[in-house]
Amino acid sequence: AQRVTQPEKLLSVFKGAPVELKCNYSYSGSPELFWYVQYSRQRLQLLLRHISRESIKGFTADLNKGETSFHLKKPFAQEEDSAMYYCALAYNQGGKLIFGQGTELSVKP
Amino acid sequence: NAGVMQNPRHLVRRRGQEARLRCSPMKGHSHVYWYRQLPEEGLKFMVYLQKENIIDESGMPKERFSAEFPKEGPSILRIQQVVRGDSAAYFCASSPGSRGEAFFGQGTRLTVV
Repeated sequence: AQRVTQPEKLLSVFKGAPVELKCNYSYSGSPELFWYVQYSRQRLQLLLRHISRESIKGFTADLNKGETSFHLKKPFAQEEDSAMYYCALAYNQGGKLIFGQGTELSVKP
Repeated sequence: NAGVMQNPRHLVRRRGQEARLRCSPMKGHSHVYWYRQLPEEGLKFMVYLQKENIIDESGMPKERFSAEFPKEGPSILRIQQVVRGDSAAYFCASSPGSRGEAFFGQGTRLTVV
């Protein structure tokens, strides 16, 4: 069965420290993976998708099919990065997504 | 473009009442998805609709829940005879096609008392 797992409910780091939000998936086909972010009191918005291989706001994520992972990384965290981050898997249709439970990132000054 | 609009933002219903949640997709988007987020959980897919058609309702509870996306007007998620377990945040997303990026609304928080 398709599944997305984000093992950390809360990740707390200091400003300037590296950050890695973990995401593992279970899917038998070719996955399309995304990271969504939800800042306080705002709507969920797409941060990045693996097929575009781009860096947004300093964040990158590499799809590792061997480890079935799509971890989100940033070398130097900023306070404005504090938010809820959701890893999501699309299958069959692009808009139908399976979400992980989310990780709350807290960046302390 | 105002983005995906959901209303109401907050809805309180007594057990047994009906809840109607509305979603207006972004202009030009004909694909709508509904997700539910229970407390302490991630978003879970409920239903995927295209204008006047239900494409995939595999995530919808079998009873009391229904969804529509008429030719004119917003998509409606309807929950009949609500129970406490229906209390959740309900999110709508829209996309221009079946493979496009999905844009989310701000959600409707339903509380059943």
